[in-house]
Amino acid sequence: GAGVSQSPSNKVTEKGKDVELRCDPISGHTALYWYRQSLGQGLEFLIYFQGNSAPDKSGLPSDRFSAERTGGSVSTLTIQRTQQEDSAVYLCASSSGHRTSPLHFGNGTRLTVT
Amino acid sequence: DAKTTQPTSMDCAEGRAANLPCNHSTISGNEYVYWYRQIHSQGPQYIIHGLKNNETNEMASLIITEDRKSSTLILPHATLRDTAVYYCIVRSSNFGNEKLTFGTGTRLTIIP
Repeated sequence: GAGVSQSPSNKVTEKGKDVELRCDPISGHTALYWYRQSLGQGLEFLIYFQGNSAPDKSGLPSDRFSAERTGGSVSTLTIQRTQQEDSAVYLCASSSGHRTSPLHFGNGTRLTVT
Repeated sequence: DAKTTQPTSMDCAEGRAANLPCNHSTISGNEYVYWYRQIHSQGPQYIIHGLKNNETNEMASLIITEDRKSSTLILPHATLRDTAVYYCIVRSSNFGNEKLTFGTGTRLTIIP
């Protein structure tokens, strides 16, 4: 079946502009995660949605970052007033929501802030 | 989540078994061992996970020691497409702690 889909695959924006990154999880998956990966670095957790529970926002690096998940499916990660240090690959993952079910990742959005 | 320790890099000859070790000496009873890999320019790919029994699927085998303080991922017949960074992750099964915490992984290079 279809995997996690992310769009756009690449985004170039000017410093100070806002950007929105989209994630379409695997159909039926109730849990959704956002991570980011800076060049040559490991994956950094950002935010986690599980069903109708309040999201775990503990990884968001600043209040310029926010995310929402509408209708329990599609999620949008918004970065306001982008900075050059926001340049990274933003990865979305989903899982069935069972405590031990594996996460399945998309191929990410490469964000470049100029 | 418990911390894991992996070698920074490894090489393996094509066609041979690749054995990737992972230490997780502080693992607790409700924590599972997961393995992912990341091929350049792609998102991480799930490989396998286990609690205490050895596990096998179409991609790999996972061997967990009896004391659960270490594990080994085995790719039985490595191909060039197995060149990737391999991440060993210990993940809690407690509700609310389901996120994965990635370390730096092992860069596996398959040699022709």
